[in-house]
Amino acid sequence: DGGITQSPKYLFRKEGQNVTLSCEQNLNHDAMYWYRQDPGQGLRLIYYSQIVNDFQKGDIAEGYSVSREKKESFPLTVTSAQKNPTAFYLCASSIQGASTGELFFGEGSRLTVL
Amino acid sequence: QQQVKQSPQSLIVQKGGISIINCAYENTAFDYFPWYQQFPGKGPALLIAIRPDVSEKKEGRFTISFNKSAKQFSLHIMDSQPGDSATYFCAASKGRYSTLTFGKGTMLLVSP
Repeated sequence: DGGITQSPKYLFRKEGQNVTLSCEQNLNHDAMYWYRQDPGQGLRLIYYSQIVNDFQKGDIAEGYSVSREKKESFPLTVTSAQKNPTAFYLCASSIQGASTGELFFGEGSRLTVL
Repeated sequence: QQQVKQSPQSLIVQKGGISIINCAYENTAFDYFPWYQQFPGKGPALLIAIRPDVSEKKEGRFTISFNKSAKQFSLHIMDSQPGDSATYFCAASKGRYSTLTFGKGTMLLVSP
C-alpha cells in the first residue's frame, strides 16, 4: 500500500547526541515536510522540500537539519543544538504545494531526551 | 505571531449532539482551508477542506462554514459519535507552493 513510513516509532536519546529520524514515501509526491507536535502547540513546521536536492527552513528550524537526496526520502536530524528536542515528530508529503491538495502524514516518531 | 487561532482548546459533547470548532485567520491571502483529524498516537488525516469561493461545504456529518469578511471558518460535526473523539486541527495556506499553517488544535471528547 502507498503511504508514509516513519521510523523509529519511539526513540530515546541522551543529551548531547544527534539522532536521525527516517521518513520514506512511495506516493511519488514531490513535496515533503517535517512537523513537530507538542501538547497544546499544534503542528509547527521544521523544514520542507518541494523538490529533490532543495529544501527550505520552516518556522522552527534551529537545531535541526535535513537532506533530500532522493524523491522518496526526507530524513530529519535532531542535533545537540536543539534545546528542547523531546516531542512527537511528524513527516508528511503532498503532490505539490500544500494548497494544491491533501497532506499525507506518517504515524510519527516520538523522541525522548533523557 | 499566531496566524490561525483555533478555539476551544477542548470540547466535550454528548453523543448525538453538534460539535462546533472555530478558527480565525489574519492573512487575507490565505486561499485554502483544510481540517485535519488526529487520533492518539497517529498522524493527522485530512477530513474536509474549503476554498474561499464558497461559504459552506458538507461531507456526510461534517460541514465547514466559511465567512470571508469576518476571516473565520468553522467545523460542525452533526450527530457526534464516540468514534469522532479525536484532536481536530484547522489550517490555512496561500498560493500553489506554500505550506500549511496549523491552529493549535481542539481535543474533542464525545461522551456515550
